[in-house]
Amino acid sequence: NSKVIQTPRYLVKGQGQKAKMRCIPEKGHPVVFWYQQNKNNEFKFLINFQNQEVLQQIDMTEKRFSAECPSNSPCSLEIQSSEAGDSALYLCASSRDTGNTLYFGEGSRLIVV
Amino acid sequence: QQQVRQSPQSLTVWEGETAILNCSYEDSTFDYFPWYHQFPGESPALLIAIRPVSNKKEDGRFTIFFNKREKKFSLHIADSQPGDSATYFCAASNYNQGKLIFGQGTKLSIKP
Repeated sequence: NSKVIQTPRYLVKGQGQKAKMRCIPEKGHPVVFWYQQNKNNEFKFLINFQNQEVLQQIDMTEKRFSAECPSNSPCSLEIQSSEAGDSALYLCASSRDTGNTLYFGEGSRLIVV
Repeated sequence: QQQVRQSPQSLTVWEGETAILNCSYEDSTFDYFPWYHQFPGESPALLIAIRPVSNKKEDGRFTIFFNKREKKFSLHIADSQPGDSATYFCAASNYNQGKLIFGQGTKLSIKP
């Protein structure tokens, strides 16, 4: 019964294709996180926002990953050119504040073939 | 150092026993320590959390023991039930950083 809504639940992309995932945070939660969980269950922090501003992000020097949280629209995470290694569960979470409980959505499972 | 180390990687206990999962951290600025559990095919869900003002937090069968000096904390699951079988993750964060750093996970199996 997650109150963080992620879509789509599953997406299958060919290598080189764009993959876009969306997240609606829980009402009243201004802080949004994106994590990647790989097949070994390891969590990799990608980026977080407070309202529309980026708080922290990993070094996305490959520039294949981009994310935004526009006002009055769902947050999104996009992979510009999918690679096989991007296959993972992408988890969105929201929180009332930094340093507080994260509430996760059900995730978007990306399979890159 | 931002790492959170978790052990064991997997744990099997009999129904009714106490399961003990362990974590350690290095960053002394961490001030929030939650435990999440994750069932297959589902997303992580908060189980219980503690802040360093306390060295123990209980919620039903679940207890966190926290040792600030040694930078360790553990989750004790009393009277383990088969329905507790899941992967458990410890994590840590601080207010300024915001992001949760997760441990590697412990796959817990409860034998009936």
